[in-house]
Amino acid sequence: GAVVSQHPSWVICKSGTSVKIECRSLDFQATTMFWYRQFPKQSLMLMATSNEGSKATYEQGVEKDKFLINHASLTLSTLTVTSAHPEDSSFYICSARDLILYQETQYFGPGTRLLVL
Amino acid sequence: GESVGLHLPTLSVQEGDNSIINCAYSNSASDYFIWYKQESGKGPQFIIDIRSNMDKRQGQRVTVLLNKTVKHLSLQIAATQPGDSAVYFCAEMGTSYDKVIFGPGTSLSVIP
Repeated sequence: GAVVSQHPSWVICKSGTSVKIECRSLDFQATTMFWYRQFPKQSLMLMATSNEGSKATYEQGVEKDKFLINHASLTLSTLTVTSAHPEDSSFYICSARDLILYQETQYFGPGTRLLVL
Repeated sequence: GESVGLHLPTLSVQEGDNSIINCAYSNSASDYFIWYKQESGKGPQFIIDIRSNMDKRQGQRVTVLLNKTVKHLSLQIAATQPGDSAVYFCAEMGTSYDKVIFGPGTSLSVIP
């Protein structure tokens, strides 16, 4: 149980286009989902916290107009990278927190590799 | 976004030996700590956790030690196996449990 999926697993796009990444909790309800970005040989950096039905909370230095987050249901959050540029190329990982289980438990998705040409 | 450091230390161990991975955390108010394992191209995988009111917790082949005095966390892996090769991250969460902040990570390489 407690599986989180991401789609797509990898995406290549041209500079200037927008890319949407989906994060789904498959067998549990997630009131909160988190989006991370990870550059090669670096740690995971929290980008934003997404609560179902409300606006996302962005970490300092993360542009909310560039990284649009929508959390419309208890099982789905989306991250849209708008007007992507090569510097946005990264590994994007989401995690979800279970409504029923312990509040500190987070389950991570497999990640989405984005390459912007 | 928040992060603790941007470098990735490495540790090489012989198969069958014990591994010790260390982590220094920053927030003395952190209440909950987690160790994650990340294999190449995958998301982090939960290994073991510990609360601030404990100083040791054991799992299967893994032990986490917490020293709050010096804000230090360690992960011990017994009888390290090739499948243990990965990057290991410590992570901390404050008393509000609002978010998890990851440490810089350590790359573990197991020599057969």
